[in-house]
Amino acid sequence: EAQVTQNPRYLITVTGKKLTVTCSQNMNHEYMSWYRQDPGLGLRQIYYSMNVEVTDKGDVPEGYKVSRKEKRNFPLILESPSPNQTSLYFCASSLVSSPEQYFGPGTRLTVT
Amino acid sequence: AQTVTQSQPEMSVQEAETVTLSCTYDTSENNYYLFWYKQPPSRQMILVIRQEAYKQQNATENRFSVNFQKAAKSFSLKISDSQLGDTAMYFCASEQYNNNDMRFGAGTRLTVKP
Repeated sequence: EAQVTQNPRYLITVTGKKLTVTCSQNMNHEYMSWYRQDPGLGLRQIYYSMNVEVTDKGDVPEGYKVSRKEKRNFPLILESPSPNQTSLYFCASSLVSSPEQYFGPGTRLTVT
Repeated sequence: AQTVTQSQPEMSVQEAETVTLSCTYDTSENNYYLFWYKQPPSRQMILVIRQEAYKQQNATENRFSVNFQKAAKSFSLKISDSQLGDTAMYFCASEQYNNNDMRFGAGTRLTVKP
C-alpha cells in the first residue's frame, strides 16, 4: 500500500530534550516536506527536500533540522525543543512532476 | 509567494443541505493548482478536489464541486447533500506549477448537524 508513515504519532517531552520524528514513504517520491499545523494558521512549511542530499528552508525553519540521506526517509530533528514548538506535524511527499502531495498521519508534539 | 485566505473560521450546515466554503488566493503566476483538503477528527489530510488554473471547467467530485473564478482569484468549495461524515476542518491550498511549494489557508471548521 502506497503511504507516508510518521513516528511517533504522539510525543510529550520536556524543554531541551533532543527528539527526532521520522518520516518514510514507499512511493519513490523525490519531493518530501515537513509542515506544522497551528490553530488559525493552517499548515506552514518547515523544510523541504527535492531529492537525496538536497534540502531547503521553508517558512518556519527556526529550531528544526532535517536530513535526506535516503530517498524514502526525511526525519525532522528538534535539537532543543521549546514550548512554542508544541504543534501538529505533518510529513508529505510527491513526485517532482506532480502537484499532488501525500500526507502522513501527523505527529502531535507537546513540549512542556 | 502565493498566499491563501479562508475568511470563515467556522461554519455549520444541516444534514442534506448545501454549504459553500470560501477561499481567495493571491499569486503572480499564470499556471498553478488549487486544492481543497479535508481533515476529519482523525487528523488525516484527505484530498477532496483539485483544479488546474488553465482549465476553465470547474472540477467536480461526486457531492463536491468548486467555483473557480480566476480573474477574481477565488476558489470556493460547494458541498451538496451534506452528510455527518463531512464534519471536518477544510483547508484550501495552492501550488505553483512545477514548484511543489504548497500554501495553505487557515482552514474552515465545518460542522454538519443532524
